[in-house]
Amino acid sequence: GAVVSQHPSRVICKSGTSVKIECRSLDFQATTMFWYRQFPKKSLMLMATSNEGSKATYEQGVEKDKFLINHASLTLSTLTVTSAHPEDSSFYICSARAVGTYGYTFGSGTRLTVV
Amino acid sequence: QKEVEQDPGPLSVPEGAIVSLNCTYSNSAFQYFMWYRQYSRKGPELLMYTYSSGNKEDGRFTAQVDKSSKYISLFIRDSQPSDSATYLCAMSPNAGGTSYGKLTFGQGTILTVHP
Repeated sequence: GAVVSQHPSRVICKSGTSVKIECRSLDFQATTMFWYRQFPKKSLMLMATSNEGSKATYEQGVEKDKFLINHASLTLSTLTVTSAHPEDSSFYICSARAVGTYGYTFGSGTRLTVV
Repeated sequence: QKEVEQDPGPLSVPEGAIVSLNCTYSNSAFQYFMWYRQYSRKGPELLMYTYSSGNKEDGRFTAQVDKSSKYISLFIRDSQPSDSATYLCAMSPNAGGTSYGKLTFGQGTILTVHP
């Protein structure tokens, strides 16, 4: 089945630094990937839609300059949290859909802690 | 009013019980309905995928969609301790363009199956 690999699974960074999270589709090509954020005991909130070769589409209220998305190839999308602050601490998850399959496959998530 | 409402629980049942999980929604454009299972600190895993109204069965899992009532359900038969997780309903409109693939999630129901 379709597999989405997300790395790192956990990261701790200092306030003011930037963190990059990678999302790879391992056995299929994904022209579109989605980035979600999840707070403890809360549902997933779509942050942005990552489009291969073009600019990402951000949801209302999501800061484009803080959450930089790059989708340079058909198998890789990255989310960079710039100038991270403690309030950016959260669980970030990516997803993609393989052509010919139903539903969306999610990565295993990245737990970001900003100290 | 949220687009998708899901009782967050928590729900605790004995092993072997039948579990019923439900979501209601307000957006009549939703055509694709999914149920995901999420273990702690992991990404969601697709359990069931249905299109429009009707029932779908897969092993111990049965998904029901009633579009007239804007109500979907997931039934788990012979529940096992390994079923203990958060269950998320998700929905998507049947449309092309940027709206395709954009999932709207329920809040998630925390389920515990005790031996």
